[in-house]
Amino acid sequence: SSELTQDPTVSVALGQTIRITCQGDSLRYYYASWYQQKPGQAPVLVIYGKNSRPSGIPDRFSGSNSGDTASLTITGTQAEDEADYYCNSRHSSGNHYVFGSGTKVTVL
Amino acid sequence: QLQLQESGPGLVKPSETLSLTCTVSGGSISGSSYYWGWIRQPPGKGLEWIGSINYSGTTFYNPSLDSRVTMYVDTSKDQFSLNLSSVTATDTSVYYCVRDVLTGYSRFDYWGQGTLLIVSS
Repeated sequence: SSELTQDPTVSVALGQTIRITCQGDSLRYYYASWYQQKPGQAPVLVIYGKNSRPSGIPDRFSGSNSGDTASLTITGTQAEDEADYYCNSRHSSGNHYVFGSGTKVTVL
Repeated sequence: QLQLQESGPGLVKPSETLSLTCTVSGGSISGSSYYWGWIRQPPGKGLEWIGSINYSGTTFYNPSLDSRVTMYVDTSKDQFSLNLSSVTATDTSVYYCVRDVLTGYSRFDYWGQGTLLIVSS
């Protein structure tokens, strides 16, 4: 079982805003990183730290953190944002990593 | 541009040892800012971190796999490797090698394309 909890599925209308959440005790101590995975492809890092985006990631992707919850927000969701999204952080013990179970985002 | 490429047998028999290698190009595996890791994904399921290693061979592993995992690094070839012993069908997964950034905010910023490894007799 995952120690980071994510909603399994979320739907959003094209152009609207979606927030994907990740909850777990480790997030009280460590920032989450977020990964987008499209079918048949390797995951891609989209957000890390407080709210940092790697080069090439559109600024419609943003991150936030509060207590034991990290959130990934997509503002003005595009059709190409339809994908699975995974959160990750260090375990609260600090000596290994944990992934969330993933959220499948459907763009309507 | 940094690139990672996994290589491995594709098929392993139950109870045998799985061996995978990741070759890093466009950069060096040496350097104190990075570790190099393995992450796997069973078909249709989520991601699981297996372990990470740095250029000097310091490792840390997923506690759930620790008894079966060994990782190695070969800085002369810019390669790192994964051995997973006593495999069963539940080890069937796509295996990804990644760059693990430990300094600052931790993250996996570069990924290989992944290699499917099937455990079957």
